[in-house]
Amino acid sequence: NAGVTQTPKFQVLKTGQSMTLQCAQDMNHEYMSWYRQDPGMGLRLIHYSVGAGITDQGEVPNGYNVSRSTTEDFPLRLLSAAPSQTSVYFCASSYSIGHPTEAFFGQGTRLTVV
Amino acid sequence: KQEVTQIPAALSVPEGENLVLNCSFTDSAIYNLQWFRQDPGKGLTSLLLIQSSQREQTSGRLNASLDKSSGRSTLYIAASQPGDSATYLCAVAPYYGGATNKLIFGTGTLLAVQP
Repeated sequence: NAGVTQTPKFQVLKTGQSMTLQCAQDMNHEYMSWYRQDPGMGLRLIHYSVGAGITDQGEVPNGYNVSRSTTEDFPLRLLSAAPSQTSVYFCASSYSIGHPTEAFFGQGTRLTVV
Repeated sequence: KQEVTQIPAALSVPEGENLVLNCSFTDSAIYNLQWFRQDPGKGLTSLLLIQSSQREQTSGRLNASLDKSSGRSTLYIAASQPGDSATYLCAVAPYYGGATNKLIFGTGTLLAVQP
């Protein structure tokens, strides 16, 4: 069972470069989201989607874009990377049945911006 | 604003000991609380989810309790093993997030079980 798959696992960017972090799930989950994890701060929500074509901002959206063209995929785009975006990024998915359900997470992407 | 706190930040115990990890939250208006395990350099693995109407959930050697009125949850690990060594995270799904599962996380407890 693949579950939630994130690529790449590791990435080094130079300041100002752009890139896309990929996330795919094979559980037909409506709800998908992106978090970043920084030391001492816990995971914080960047963007989320409740279904194809619908996205919204989370707690820390600045510098990131998302789109949801299919149920399976939810890519996260860094427009112009900054050292402050050095972090570990996690994608999550879950069913949406009128109330939150168990969340499943990918293995993470460790991003370093130099 | 909902805040989630986990104490202690780190814990070291000898193998075989029973232990309790604590999680507290400031707003009792939640749908559920979820406990996760995170191994170094890995993703989050869901351990237990407790709905707001429930008092506890059990899975194997793990038992999680929820006291919504006092804003507290505990994760009890029985007969700890070195393989239990990991960071344990709790997260709440607040009412103000609606059905969108916008989780609020604690910063975790790093558990080391010594053989």
